[in-house]
Amino acid sequence: DAGITQSPRHKVTETGTPVTLRCHQTENHRYMYWYRQDPGHGLRLIHYSYGVKDTDKGEVSDGYSVSRSKTEDFLLTLESATSSQTSVYFCAISKVGGAGSDSPLHFGNGTRLTVT
Amino acid sequence: TQLLEQSPQFLSIQEGENLTVYCNSSSVFSSLQWYRQEPGEGPVLLVTVVTGGEVKKLKRLTFQFGDARKDSSLHITAAQPGDTGLYLCAGANDYKLSFGAGTTVTVRA
Repeated sequence: DAGITQSPRHKVTETGTPVTLRCHQTENHRYMYWYRQDPGHGLRLIHYSYGVKDTDKGEVSDGYSVSRSKTEDFLLTLESATSSQTSVYFCAISKVGGAGSDSPLHFGNGTRLTVT
Repeated sequence: TQLLEQSPQFLSIQEGENLTVYCNSSSVFSSLQWYRQEPGEGPVLLVTVVTGGEVKKLKRLTFQFGDARKDSSLHITAAQPGDTGLYLCAGANDYKLSFGAGTTVTVRA
């Protein structure tokens, strides 16, 4: 298993509260990603990082922000959680950006977030 | 709108039967990956195909990348209960992956 730890694994929060999810890797990979997974939509990219302090938006970035102050940590923040952000959130890492035959995505085991 | 369309969405078969999952797009991809995901876990890479027309075999699983690099298929021969899971295809462009919605495969003993 690639060394990826997501915390917390489960969280219930109320609408309007801020929430931060953490992804920690021990692989020293340059690229880190945050995806959300919803039934019927598959995995959708929220934000990604291509180095310390280098981040960019994905396809569903509204309402989310990220930070990467160290190679090993990538934080996802919901500034003011809404019920539409109830989802399972996955962090992923890769050696090289995107994909190639030698650079798959390695995923964490996800954080199940419920916004009530 | 999903960039990659997977079909069928659900597939339930008896042990020993064969199955095929399709992944289609109007976009061209530099490579295409297939992942398998079990409940409560993250997806795990099965294979990457990078050349149009490429066929890769992993034991009972056969993966094909279309000649135009817009589509792919996954064929499982003599399915076993251990093949049960969510199968996801993902196309690579511009250093990002776009995922299909997935096909849930259930193999009954």
